Amino acid sequence: EAQVTQNPRYLITVTGKKLTVTCSQNMNHEYMSWYRQDPGLGLRQIYYSMNVEVTDKGDVPEGYKVSRKEKRNFPLILESPSPNQTSLYFCASSLAGSYNEQFFGPGTRLTVL
Amino acid sequence: AQRVTQPEKLLSVFKGAPVELKCNYSYSGSPELFWYVQYSRQRLQLLLRHISRESIKGFTADLNKGETSFHLKKPFAQEEDSAMYYCALSGRSNYQLIWGAGTKLIIKP
Repeated sequence: EAQVTQNPRYLITVTGKKLTVTCSQNMNHEYMSWYRQDPGLGLRQIYYSMNVEVTDKGDVPEGYKVSRKEKRNFPLILESPSPNQTSLYFCASSLAGSYNEQFFGPGTRLTVL
Repeated sequence: AQRVTQPEKLLSVFKGAPVELKCNYSYSGSPELFWYVQYSRQRLQLLLRHISRESIKGFTADLNKGETSFHLKKPFAQEEDSAMYYCALSGRSNYQLIWGAGTKLIIKP
């Protein structure tokens, strides 16, 4: 089944403890991106990647890192999480860019204490 | 600055009534506009995009460049339309998607 997967789905952690949220797609999509969703703010783009080894900042990249070593994977790294990064995170992929249909993962609910 | 505004956080209408979810945008170039929908316990998914000019599940949206709007409409609401709706904008020359804050649509029986 063609899909985007994220792990973990739920995570509670403490301030400063490095964590990684994985994202994988099996559709051979070039474009992948990460969003955070907060009440009243909608989705805000954190980082995106146009292809392997090509990444760029979205609107809210502070406190996050990403990498794109393989086409299918696009992990989101929080090296020193803080409570203001408590949010619902979505990974998405599309064939070639933001103007193509985005396929979303199920979301990862992160709580930083 | 690029911006997408959905003025209504919540819209509640009766089944069979017309629905209009508003979306206004600010963008200096030629945008691609989308409506995405998230039904309860399902993933966010594309509903329609202006370039395809389709009607999906009875919904239509017309890009009005003069008013910089892309309102989503349906003449007769159904209970299964209850969901969260997001309007999004992409520039053709970049790779960022700008999202509105979303409108929760509730269809009352």
